[in-house]
Amino acid sequence: SQTIHQWPATLVQPVGSPLSLECTVEGTSNPNLYWYRQAAGRGLQLLFYSVGIGQISSEVPQNLSASRPQDRQFILSSKKLLLSDSGFYLCAWSEGPHTEAFFGQGTRLTVV
Amino acid sequence: AQSVSQHNHHVILSEAASLELGCNYSYGGTVNLFWYVQYPGQHLQLLLKYFSGDPLVKGIKGFEAEFIKSKFSFNLRKPSVQWSDTAEYFCAVNGRGTYKYIFGTGTRLKVLA
Repeated sequence: SQTIHQWPATLVQPVGSPLSLECTVEGTSNPNLYWYRQAAGRGLQLLFYSVGIGQISSEVPQNLSASRPQDRQFILSSKKLLLSDSGFYLCAWSEGPHTEAFFGQGTRLTVV
Repeated sequence: AQSVSQHNHHVILSEAASLELGCNYSYGGTVNLFWYVQYPGQHLQLLLKYFSGDPLVKGIKGFEAEFIKSKFSFNLRKPSVQWSDTAEYFCAVNGRGTYKYIFGTGTRLKVLA
C-alpha cells in the first residue's frame, strides 16, 4: 500500500535561517506531488505541485521554493525564512486524473 | 481559475441533530469534487468523492453529499451527528484537465454531547 512520509513534525527556526522540509511517497511511481500551507480560517493554500521529476509549478509567489530531485521526493525550501512563513505545511500526493489526494501528517513551522 | 467557497465557518450542533455544510465551486468545466475531514490532532482524510454518475454520493461514517451542477454546489449532509464528528471539514475541487486540488476555507464543526 502507499504511504506518505513528511518530516519533521515540528520545527522552530530563527528569522533569516534556511528551510528544508522533505516529503517522500512509497508504494507508487510517478505520483503527482503537492505542497500546501494550512492557516486557521484560510483553509489549505496550494503552494506548489509537480507532475514529474524536475517539473515544478508555483501557485503563489513567495519566499519559498520547491524541488523534486527524485520521483517520489518533494522538498520545500527557503533561503531566508520570514516571520510570515510560520504555518502548518502539508505534503500530498495523487495518482493522477480522477483520483483523490492523500495527505501527510504535516509540519508545524514556527519562525521566531 | 478554480475556487471553492464554504459559507459556514463554525457550526455548533447537539448530538442527533442533522448537519448540512455548504460548498460552492467555480470552474468553467467538468469537475471532480471532494470532502475531507480533519479530526483534532489527525491528518486530513477523505470523507467522500464525486467523479461522475449518481450525483448523490455516500461516504464513510454516514456522510453523504449531493452534486447539483446547476448550482455549482456539493453540500455535505449527515442525518444525525455524533460527538465524534467534531472536526474541521474541507470541500475541494479538481477541475478536469488540471492537476490542482483547490480547497475551501473549511468549516469547524463542534458537536455537543
